Amino acid sequence: KAGVTQTPRYLIKTRGQQVTLSCSPISGHRSVSWYQQTPGQGLQFLFEYFSETQRNKGNFPGRFSGRQFSNSRSEMNVSTLELGDSALYLCASNNDLGRGTDTQYFGPGTRLTVL
Amino acid sequence: AQSVAQPEDQVNVAEGNPLTVKCTYSVSGNPYLFWYVQYPNRGLQFLLKYITGDNLVKGSYGFEAEFNKSQTSFHLKKPSALVSDSALYFCAVRDGEDQAGTALIFGKGTTLSVSS
Repeated sequence: KAGVTQTPRYLIKTRGQQVTLSCSPISGHRSVSWYQQTPGQGLQFLFEYFSETQRNKGNFPGRFSGRQFSNSRSEMNVSTLELGDSALYLCASNNDLGRGTDTQYFGPGTRLTVL
Repeated sequence: AQSVAQPEDQVNVAEGNPLTVKCTYSVSGNPYLFWYVQYPNRGLQFLLKYITGDNLVKGSYGFEAEFNKSQTSFHLKKPSALVSDSALYFCAVRDGEDQAGTALIFGKGTTLSVSS
C-alpha cells in the first residue's frame, strides 16, 4: 500500500497570506490527524477528522482549520499567517477500529516557511 | 492531563553497544504507548507500541521497549546500536479512557547519536 502523501512538500508564504495543505491517507484509513512540529514546541496535535467530521481539536487558534472529503483526503488551512506558523506540518492516518489502539502512520510533512 | 517526558535531549552511544532512550508518561486511565523515529527532513516512522499484555514489546529494526506500570515508564532499547540508528526519537501516549479520537501526546524527542 502506498503511504500517507502530503502536498506540497515545501511552501514559502508571507505574513498575512493564507495557505492550504493537502493530505491523502493510506487507502482504507478513515481517520486523518494533523500535527504541527516546531523546534520550540515540539509536536502538537491540531485536529482529527473522521468520516468528514472533526472529532477532536487541539489548542490552536481559529486561524487553523481543516476538512475531510468523502474519499478521506484531508486539507488544512491557515489564514492570516504569522511568523510563528513556520513549522513542519505532519498528517497521520489510521484505520480507526474504534478502540483508540490503532497506529497512526505519518506522511513526510509539509515544510511551511512564513516570511 | 496526559503528558510524556523524555528526560534526555541527547543520547550518545558507540556502535555495537546497547542503547536506551528513556520515556515516562502520565495518564489517568490505561496508557497506550508508542515510539516513533524521525530522520532529517522526513516524517515520523512507527517503531512499536504497547497496548496491553506482555510488558516487553518488540518492534521494527531490532528495537524493543519495556512497559513498567509502577514506574510509569516505557524505555526504548536496542541490544546493539548501528550508526544508521542515529535519528530523533519520540515517545507518545494516548489515554485509553479517552474516547475523543486518537490524538497522541508526544514527548519533546531525544536525539540519538551513534558513533563508529
